[in-house]
Amino acid sequence: IAGITQAPTSQILAAGRRMTLRCTQDMRHNAMYWYRQDLGLGLRLIHYSNTAGTTGKGEVPDGYSVSRANTDDFPLTLASAVPSQTSVYFCASSFLPGTYEQYFGPGTRLTVT
Amino acid sequence: KQEVTQIPAALSVPEGENLVLNCSFTDSAIYNLQWFRQDPGKGLTSLLLIQSSQREQTSGRLNASLDKSSGRSTLYIAASQPGDSATYLCAVRPQGGSEKLVFGKGTKLTVNP
Repeated sequence: IAGITQAPTSQILAAGRRMTLRCTQDMRHNAMYWYRQDLGLGLRLIHYSNTAGTTGKGEVPDGYSVSRANTDDFPLTLASAVPSQTSVYFCASSFLPGTYEQYFGPGTRLTVT
Repeated sequence: KQEVTQIPAALSVPEGENLVLNCSFTDSAIYNLQWFRQDPGKGLTSLLLIQSSQREQTSGRLNASLDKSSGRSTLYIAASQPGDSATYLCAVRPQGGSEKLVFGKGTKLTVNP
């Protein structure tokens, strides 16, 4: 079934630990995105990639890094987790950046203690 | 800075009623507007995408309109069902090189049997 998969589904992480959230899409989309969703703040863009080999910063990039080695995968890394990074993280993709529809993955619920 | 507002924050209706969800945005320079549905603890499901040159889009019982000049969009749901209960989010893709979707905070819809 075509779509976006994210792993893990949920995670409890101690502050200061390193964590990588995985995202894989099989739709051959060029553009991929990471958002976080927080109560009262809505969804905010963390990082994006318009095509394999390129990445860019979104609205709230501090404390996060991404890489895009190939078309399908777009991992998000928290180098040293802090409690304010407790959130639900969504990966999304679109065929091209700009005017195309964005599709979202099921999300990863992360709790940093 | 683009801002997206959805009013009301919550709406409760009896089954079978036709209803309208509202979305407004502050800057008319957009590529498109997208409506999503989010079930509790789940990811976002894309419902309709309206390009800036379009006035409306329809899918089944859903009809979305766009008035770019006034900064407004509506999502019309005909003959509502309990299965329509969810949070509905609208998001705009700003022009000007921005890669992000700007989201509203959503309207939580409850359809009572």
